[in-house]
Amino acid sequence: AQKVTQAQTEISVVEKEDVTLDCVYETRDTTYYLFWYKQPPSGELVFLIRRNSFDEQNEISGRYSWNFQKSTSSFNFTITASQVVDSAVYFCALSEGSSNTGKLIFGQGTTLQVKP
Amino acid sequence: GAVVSQHPSRVICKSGTSVKIECRSLDFQATTMFWYRQFPKQSLMLMATSNEGSKATYEQGVEKDKFLINHASLTLSTLTVTSAHPEDSSFYICSASEMIGQPQHFGDGTRLSIL
Repeated sequence: AQKVTQAQTEISVVEKEDVTLDCVYETRDTTYYLFWYKQPPSGELVFLIRRNSFDEQNEISGRYSWNFQKSTSSFNFTITASQVVDSAVYFCALSEGSSNTGKLIFGQGTTLQVKP
Repeated sequence: GAVVSQHPSRVICKSGTSVKIECRSLDFQATTMFWYRQFPKQSLMLMATSNEGSKATYEQGVEKDKFLINHASLTLSTLTVTSAHPEDSSFYICSASEMIGQPQHFGDGTRLSIL
């Protein structure tokens, strides 16, 4: 069965610290897509990144980086030199290739608090 | 980029009222849209998949007669919470994507409060 686990419920760091948010997924599909979304206090969901199962190349975008490891079924997200504006809930999500709708399966979310 | 518009952003109404929430894809056509519900400090729970021109597919435990979904065009899906009660108070959010496997774009959500 498909599942996404974000074991860290809440993380608190001080500004400028690096922080890694963990995501572990389960799926029987060989084709699937992984996503990270940010939900700030205002409530909207902001798309951060999409990865397909055939692309294990890690990605860096500014202070954000993602580590995709199929061997451990993980798709971890690192924020370097965190800032107060990074405070939000972060969701990891999975979409299976066998799905004919592309529906997302969300993890429980990790609340990140960055203190000044 | 693709934008999904959701309206209204906030509703406060009396128990027994029916509330309609609209979800529009502004610059792309969406044969499929999704409706989620989110309780405070919890994840998004998929309620149903809205299919253009056909019946919605509801997730287990979601009452079809309570949460009516209509997807009459390629750019508009509506969710109607019928005879809403305080336990229906929640944050409702819709999403759509241009293609399966592509990122879902989310509306800004509707905060529903039933008194």
